[in-house]
Amino acid sequence: DVKVTQSSRYLVKRTGEKVFLECVQDMDHENMFWYRQDPGLGLRLIYFSYDVKMKEKGDIPEGYSVSREKKERFSLILESASTNQTSMYLCASSLGGGAGGNTIYFGEGSWLTVV
Amino acid sequence: EDKVVQSPLSLVVHEGDTVTLNCSYEVTNFRSLLWYKQEKKAPTFLFMLTSSGIEKKSGRLSSILDKKELFSILNITATQTGDSAIYLCAGYNAGNMLTFGGGTRLMVKP
Repeated sequence: DVKVTQSSRYLVKRTGEKVFLECVQDMDHENMFWYRQDPGLGLRLIYFSYDVKMKEKGDIPEGYSVSREKKERFSLILESASTNQTSMYLCASSLGGGAGGNTIYFGEGSWLTVV
Repeated sequence: EDKVVQSPLSLVVHEGDTVTLNCSYEVTNFRSLLWYKQEKKAPTFLFMLTSSGIEKKSGRLSSILDKKELFSILNITATQTGDSAIYLCAGYNAGNMLTFGGGTRLMVKP
């Protein structure tokens, strides 16, 4: 089975702290994504990456950065956490080029609270 | 910019009722429409629809796509409390990108 692992499930951070959310997938997928999910807003794409060291901004990149040094690992970074970044963060991965939607796999989510 | 809108925002029904969830989309270079069910953790895949008018069915759940009117519906018959969840639809474009709707929160009461 494909596995997408988010190492931190529940985090509480203070305003201004730097936050790292890690995501690892074990199926050699080219594409990796970071979403945040808020009530009534669904999943919104923050950043995605289609190859090592490649990244593209999604719909809401402000206040976030990402790192993809290895194919299996995609990290989301909050340089200076703010309370409006309290949310659930979902990592996902998929095969590259021509793959159908049912090959997108999600991690279990990281619940971040910024106080 | 791709856009997906779901309605209603939330729904409360009793066991045994039939529900219809709606999803409209505007997706450039549209490839497919996907439905997911999300309980406490990550979304789990339900259906992928690529062709108009062909119903996909899985047990009590079914879904259909209308590519002319740019919408899809998800039907759940004889609802059970275990159907309580957030249902998400997403448009998938040729660039392998998913755009999600805001979700419909379904609560099924015993």
